[in-house]
Amino acid sequence: QSVLIQPPSVSGTPGQRVTISCSGSGSNIGINSVYWFQQFPGTAPKLLISRNDQRPSGVPDRFSGSKSGTSASLVISGLRSEDEADYYCAAWDDSLSGRGVFGGGTKLTVL
Amino acid sequence: QVQLVQSGSELKKPGASVKVSCKTSGYTFTSYPINWVRQAPGQGLEWMGWHNTNTGNPTHAQGFTGRFVFSLDTSVSTAYLQISDLQPGDTAVYYCARGWGIVVDYWGQGTLVTVSS
Repeated sequence: QSVLIQPPSVSGTPGQRVTISCSGSGSNIGINSVYWFQQFPGTAPKLLISRNDQRPSGVPDRFSGSKSGTSASLVISGLRSEDEADYYCAAWDDSLSGRGVFGGGTKLTVL
Repeated sequence: QVQLVQSGSELKKPGASVKVSCKTSGYTFTSYPINWVRQAPGQGLEWMGWHNTNTGNPTHAQGFTGRFVFSLDTSVSTAYLQISDLQPGDTAVYYCARGWGIVVDYWGQGTLVTVSS
């Protein structure tokens, strides 16, 4: 059971807007920034969103992040077939002397 | 450019040990910690801990103490993960990643460690 809770899967058609949620608690998302990673099969994860809503250089503006309270969301607008991947949220958790925690991951399928 | 290059896949028998290397380049090694992340087959990402490359202080996540040892060789800008007394449940891809805690921006390509008799 992951500390951060994500839906196992979401799907959408090309051009649609999809949202992936990430639910945490007061020891992680509630007080620390959220990060999102994109992972294609057989490859290493890639940082997609930093500090809740910041896109690293090279990340299309179709990807956006937000945080409210103890939850966060990743929104992908104008869905494209190449967006089909696994998405993970992550945050620092101040419990247990501090630790990094990930969500269980969400498989995005582009229909 | 920043690169983290990990050692190749390993096949080990239960009870054996393995040492995964993570050779970095393109930046000052001691300016960023190295994190270790595990991904079991078909599963999600687990943060194993990090190694402060400046102070040499390692921090292990719960569940990754004892058999899991982080080490550094700053002379060759390389971090290591050693796992002893391997069990089938240790079968996974192990990633190194540069950054502070969960704020990792560059990742190694991953090293598959398979534990099987």
